[in-house]
Amino acid sequence: DAGVIQSPRHEVTEMGQEVTLRCKPISGHNSLFWYRQTMMRGLELLIYFNNNVPIDDSGMPEDRFSAKMPNASFSTLKIQPSEPRDSAVYFCASSASGGTPGELFFGEGSRLTVL
Amino acid sequence: AQSVTQLGSHVSVSEGALVLLRCNYSSSVPPYLFWYVQYPNQGLQLLLKYTTGATLVKGINGFEAEFKKSETSFHLTKPSAHMSDAAEYFCAVSAYGNNRLAFGKGNQVVVIP
Repeated sequence: DAGVIQSPRHEVTEMGQEVTLRCKPISGHNSLFWYRQTMMRGLELLIYFNNNVPIDDSGMPEDRFSAKMPNASFSTLKIQPSEPRDSAVYFCASSASGGTPGELFFGEGSRLTVL
Repeated sequence: AQSVTQLGSHVSVSEGALVLLRCNYSSSVPPYLFWYVQYPNQGLQLLLKYTTGATLVKGINGFEAEFKKSETSFHLTKPSAHMSDAAEYFCAVSAYGNNRLAFGKGNQVVVIP
């Protein structure tokens, strides 16, 4: 079975450029999460969706960050304009409605470097 | 709000020795508790979980954890470390029935041959 699929796996860009990260959750899962991982701050929840609707975006750092989930099988996290402090690994995770709350299935992450 | 404390960011253990990773949580409601493992350049995967019922839970790869309400702890153990256990381990908590997880800072485990 396919797991959570993220793209790109690695992205190197220059400050000021737009960055779009993509995620395909596991088929049938109805919740989707975006996390950011850095050495300094660990794992931070940025936003999560339930049935394609954003439920909690309190972790989104600022207006430069936006996330969408146009349908059950696709989500994007966009940073515009990007800054060096946005360099991190961004993880997407999904969970099933009938599963244990908090049991998440993670993608392999998108490593973003902003120069 | 829920939170987790994991002490000691780096843990070194000899091959064949006991692995013990400590996790203390804070929750105003009955918690769901999790341990996740992250191997290099990979995403997190579930190691084990506690929801209700038996307080000693067993997970993959020989790991187990015990929920102790009186101590607000959920420590992770494995009797004998293997080289393949080298990874980062995260404790996480969610409120009863809530999908929102709070993660600890993680423990980077190094296994010494």
